[in-house]
Amino acid sequence: EAQVTQNPRYLITVTGKKLTVTCSQNMNHEYMSWYRQDPGLGLRQIYYSMNVEVTDKGDVPEGYKVSRKEKRNFPLILESPSPNQTSLYFCASSSRQGIYEQYFGPGTRLTVT
Amino acid sequence: AQSVSQHNHHVILSEAASLELGCNYSYGGTVNLFWYVQYPGQHLQLLLKYFSGDPLVKGIKGFEAEFIKSKFSFNLRKPSVQWSDTAEYFCAVTARGSQGNLIFGKGTKLSVKP
Repeated sequence: EAQVTQNPRYLITVTGKKLTVTCSQNMNHEYMSWYRQDPGLGLRQIYYSMNVEVTDKGDVPEGYKVSRKEKRNFPLILESPSPNQTSLYFCASSSRQGIYEQYFGPGTRLTVT
Repeated sequence: AQSVSQHNHHVILSEAASLELGCNYSYGGTVNLFWYVQYPGQHLQLLLKYFSGDPLVKGIKGFEAEFIKSKFSFNLRKPSVQWSDTAEYFCAVTARGSQGNLIFGKGTKLSVKP
């Protein structure tokens, strides 16, 4: 089944404790992206990647890092999480041809205390 | 910079009522337009999309949207809603030739009363 998976689905952590949210897709998609969803703000793009070893900032990249060492994986790293990063995070992917049609993962709900 | 405005934050309808959710975008060039739906506790799913051609596009579950270029609008419609349509709806736009950056509106929550 074609899908985008994220782990963990739920995470509660404390300020400053480094964490990684994994994202994996099995559709051989070149393009992957991370979004955060906050009430009343919709979804905002954090980082995206056009292909392996190619990443770029989205609209709200501060406090986040990403890497794209393999085509299927695009982890989101919070080196020193802060409470304002409490949010619902979505990973998405698409093919280069269908770059505008993105498939979303199930989401990761992160709480930073 | 591109932006997307969704006019209604929360819409409450009774079953069988007609639905229209407004979406306006600001971008002078050629765009691709989308409506996504997020059912409670689930991830986003694509409802419909417009790339080119017929400005009236039909999506899944009886939804349709009309692209009116002169008004920079892409409103979502459904003639008769069901309780199962209760969800949050997001309009999104990306500029043709962009890096695929989707710009989302803030969403409209639809509650359908049985």
